[in-house]
Order: sequence, then structure tokens, then C-alpha cells
Amino acid sequence: ETGVTQTPRHLVMGMTNKKSLKCEQHLGHNAMYWYKQSAKKPLELMFVYSLEERVENNSVPSRFSPECPNSSHLFLHLHTLQPEDSALYLCASSRNSAAPYEQYFGPGTRLTVT
Amino acid sequence: AQSVTQLDSHVSVSEGTPVLLRCNYSSSYSPSLFWYVQHPNKGLQLLLKYTSAATLVKGINGFEAEFKKSETSFHLTKPSAHMSDAAEYFCVVIREDSNYQLIWGAGTKLIIKP
Repeated sequence: ETGVTQTPRHLVMGMTNKKSLKCEQHLGHNAMYWYKQSAKKPLELMFVYSLEERVENNSVPSRFSPECPNSSHLFLHLHTLQPEDSALYLCASSRNSAAPYEQYFGPGTRLTVT
Repeated sequence: AQSVTQLDSHVSVSEGTPVLLRCNYSSSYSPSLFWYVQHPNKGLQLLLKYTSAATLVKGINGFEAEFKKSETSFHLTKPSAHMSDAAEYFCVVIREDSNYQLIWGAGTKLIIKP
């Protein structure tokens, strides 16, 4: 497995469910990111982790909870979501967040909240 | 304020003809610029990057882009379009006050006619 992988690729959940998105990078990078991509809107940065420490939390509602147990793995825990949270959630990684390195993206998880 | 403008929301070309996707940026400093591509229902793939080295940058799949400071442009070109190039293309700049905050263009949808 190479690059950035995400599971699951598709997720349908009710507003009272709890689920988690998983991201894994095989690039030896030190920084990882969660983005939200909604139709007709620019990509929104949600969270940034550098060396497993959160360095950015972009005013994201608390129903989204990130976790970075090590530099290769990133999770996004979801609970009591709203229908407007339906979107493509993208994970990315870069060499580190302290320099302008390019970011590599995973294929995304298409989330539908019913 | 820093910005990225993609001048065309849609570009339609015939297979085998040249592709030109236009991008203009505004930045006080020499920016780091990228082009990403997103195929339908897929994640974002880095096509190429400019980080103040050579002004003509070659990327994957035969794409290249030229950084022109005097015109504040970073247009993406390909000599001969292929059906598999049909996708949405994003011009991206790294924010000047952050090494990881990306400013995204609105995207250009490339349509390839057989």
C-alpha cells in the first residue's frame, strides 16, 4: 500500500450514530490534515497535526473529534452529526507543517448523514 | 489579501488538441504554487509544484506549468489532451503567513470531446 489511504470509502450514518474515519499515510511524513469538501464550496481545513500534536483546529464543531496516535495514522471520530455534515472528508499528509511542502491527499470518505 | 483566480470554470477541448487552464495569483512574496487534479469521486492528486526553482515546471501525465512573475500567472498546459484528462483542476497557493494553509482556486472542469 502506498501514499495516503482512507477507510471507509463510503459511510452512511444516522444523526445519533458514532463512527470513525481512518487515515493512514505510507510516505514517512510528519504532518497530517483533515479537510471537508462540500459541493460548490472551497476545500475547508479542519485539523492539522504535526508530530502527533494538534497545531490547528479551524473552529470545527465538537461533534468532530480528531485523534493522531502516531505520525502515520489519523482518525476522525464522529458523533451526533447533522445532515449538513454530509460531504467528502479528505485526509492529507506532508513532510512537515513548518515549511511549505506539498500535501498528498487520500481518496476521501464520502459521508452521508441521514 | 492573497488569492488565486482560475479564469475559467469549464474548459472543453477535443481529444488530441492542446489544453490551457489559466490561473492568476496575488502574493506579496514569491509564492509556492501547486496544481491538483480531482477525478470524479476521487481524492486530490498533486500534478506539479512550483517552489521558486525553475519557472517551467513539469508534472505528471504530460502536464506542465510556467510561473510568470510579471503576469502573476501559473497556467497549466498539456500539448495533447487525452480522454483520461477529464477532471477538475485546482490551482493552489500556500498562504504567506502559514506553511500549510492552502488557498484554493475555485476549480476548472476540463471536458474532453472525442
